[in-house]
Amino acid sequence: GAGVSQSPSNKVTEKGKDVELRCDPISGHTALYWYRQSLGQGLEFLIYFQGNSAPDKSGLPSDRFSAERTGGSVSTLTIQRTQQEDSAVYLCASSLLIGQYEQYFGPGTRLTVT
Amino acid sequence: GQQVMQIPQYQHVQEGEDFTTYCNSSTTLSNIQWYKQRPGGHPVFLIQLVKSGEVKKQKRLTFQFGEAKKNSSLHITATQTTDVGTYFCAGLSGTYKYIFGTGTRLKVLA
Repeated sequence: GAGVSQSPSNKVTEKGKDVELRCDPISGHTALYWYRQSLGQGLEFLIYFQGNSAPDKSGLPSDRFSAERTGGSVSTLTIQRTQQEDSAVYLCASSLLIGQYEQYFGPGTRLTVT
Repeated sequence: GQQVMQIPQYQHVQEGEDFTTYCNSSTTLSNIQWYKQRPGGHPVFLIQLVKSGEVKKQKRLTFQFGEAKKNSSLHITATQTTDVGTYFCAGLSGTYKYIFGTGTRLKVLA
């Protein structure tokens, strides 16, 4: 079956512009996570969604970052007024439920801020 | 806040040698997951450990969860070139957000 998909795969943007990253989770998965991975580094938790519950936004690095999940499926991560330090690979993962369940990762969006 | 450290950061081994990566959490974990990320790829789930002292095996890979549920290890016996990649542990503690370890990058020399 289809896995987690993300778009775009690559995004180059100028400093100060806004960007939107999209994640399509596996059908039927109620939990969705966003992570950020800088070059050669580990994964930094950003936010998770579980069903219709309020998301845990505690990992968002600043108020320039926001995310939403419409209809319990597709999610978009928005970065406003991008900065060079936002350059990274943004990974989305979904799992059947929140908690002790395997996370399935998408291929990621590589964001470069010039 | 909660931190998860992994050692070593890098490991180069000759094909056929064994490899071990260690994961240490600053807090007690409810469970720990292990992922493998090939160069240029995304993390792929390997296994989850939940019980104190749990040991699980997958062919040449052996995973262990410490008695205090604050540390874990992944051991690969007789490495192969297909084992190349970065191995991450990810721990869950208190909330539903996974804290990923810093990763161990494994290089296998043929």
